[in-house]
Amino acid sequence: TQLLEQSPQFLSIQEGENLTVYCNSSSVFSSLQWYRQEPGEGPVLLVTVVTGGEVKKLKRLTFQFGDARKDSSLHITAAQPGDTGLYLCAGHPYSSYKLIFGSGTRLLVRP
Amino acid sequence: EAQVTQNPRYLITVTGKKLTVTCSQNMNHEYMSWYRQDPGLGLRQIYYSMNVEVTDKGDVPEGYKVSRKEKRNFPLILESPSPNQTSLYFCASSLSKWGSPAGELFFGEGSRLTVL
Repeated sequence: TQLLEQSPQFLSIQEGENLTVYCNSSSVFSSLQWYRQEPGEGPVLLVTVVTGGEVKKLKRLTFQFGDARKDSSLHITAAQPGDTGLYLCAGHPYSSYKLIFGSGTRLLVRP
Repeated sequence: EAQVTQNPRYLITVTGKKLTVTCSQNMNHEYMSWYRQDPGLGLRQIYYSMNVEVTDKGDVPEGYKVSRKEKRNFPLILESPSPNQTSLYFCASSLSKWGSPAGELFFGEGSRLTVL
């Protein structure tokens, strides 16, 4: 069974602080995605990383795909209350049309 | 507006009373999927469909049925609901095809089901 472990599970920080969320697996993925989910809504795609070692930036969010394609990280610079939500990583295994979701990181950014 | 629509959004039912959660997408996507979300467990796939009349089991299919008679609709059927099926359910669709890097999954707003 392919698993994606996210850490930390919960994070409560002050506005302006930096943070990093990790997504790790023993399996290799052809691509990895990050979604953000707000209360009462479905997850929304933030980014897809495809190449090992790839780094993508989305304003204050930086996403990295590990060289071995087994892990990924999400770094938020100068977090804002609007960043509050549940962050989910999802890996796409080779030869499969399934997305494996991590258990999520719940982020609270306090004003 | 491109969207995935689920109904009902909220439902309280009793054990054994058959129910259907509908899902419809207006983006002409071939791929559709159902997930359940439980605290600490993330999103777990129940069933998915690659195209009309093509469905397959996900990781937690027990107690659920699906059908894909039309491209836009993918209903989830609970023939005899039990309390362990109390959960938040999401339908999702994607344009991505087999073998290509995972495309964007578009999710509905979710259906919160409580089985007493």
